Amino acid sequence: DTGVSQNPRHKITKRGQNVTFRCDPISEHNRLYWYRQTLGQGPEFLTYFQNEAQLEKSRLLSDRFSAERPKGSFSTLEIQRTEQGDSAMYLCATRTGHSTDTQYFGPGTRLTVL
Amino acid sequence: DAKTTQPPSMDCAEGRAANLPCNHSTISGNEYVYWYRQIHSQGPQYIIHGLKNNETNEMASLIITEDRKSSTLILPHATLRDTAVYYCIVRATDSWGKLQFGAGTQVVVTP
Repeated sequence: DTGVSQNPRHKITKRGQNVTFRCDPISEHNRLYWYRQTLGQGPEFLTYFQNEAQLEKSRLLSDRFSAERPKGSFSTLEIQRTEQGDSAMYLCATRTGHSTDTQYFGPGTRLTVL
Repeated sequence: DAKTTQPPSMDCAEGRAANLPCNHSTISGNEYVYWYRQIHSQGPQYIIHGLKNNETNEMASLIITEDRKSSTLILPHATLRDTAVYYCIVRATDSWGKLQFGAGTQVVVTP
């Protein structure tokens, strides 16, 4: 257990529904990342927060995806109008602000879109 | 950030040392080498990182060549619990810190 928690751990939804995932970071970590991982591939970067500011978004983050980090604590990732291609593991990682500090990953949320 | 090349898979006998190679021939002077591993259905786990000196911690040792174009992760006494995908990543300290994962090396430790 790294101290980063994600909920839910598993989510099954029907195509077209909206889903929201939550990440709770280690308390002193002000940097937060979301990644997506499909079967057989390494995780791919989606977006990055420094405190409450979203500073970088990948081109993978289509307009159906939105991420927030109100008050610089927990973060949510919402997917609207889910598609079968959204089925993946969604990973959250956090770290301190030190330049070489490592990222600690949560256990992930596995999304299955039927 | 520089790209890395790793073998897709390797086997290791339990109790023996596992030596995992990684090539990063385009690495820049401000880029560190990080190793993570991912056990099936879990989030990636940090193992070790280094700039140019060899590093050792309770999990592994990291050997970086003098020209920094390649490195080797050494698991000194592999156990069945070390079966995982191992990722070698290079990251610049002045970047936002996002990690660019490749496909990694699937390590299978056999009894």
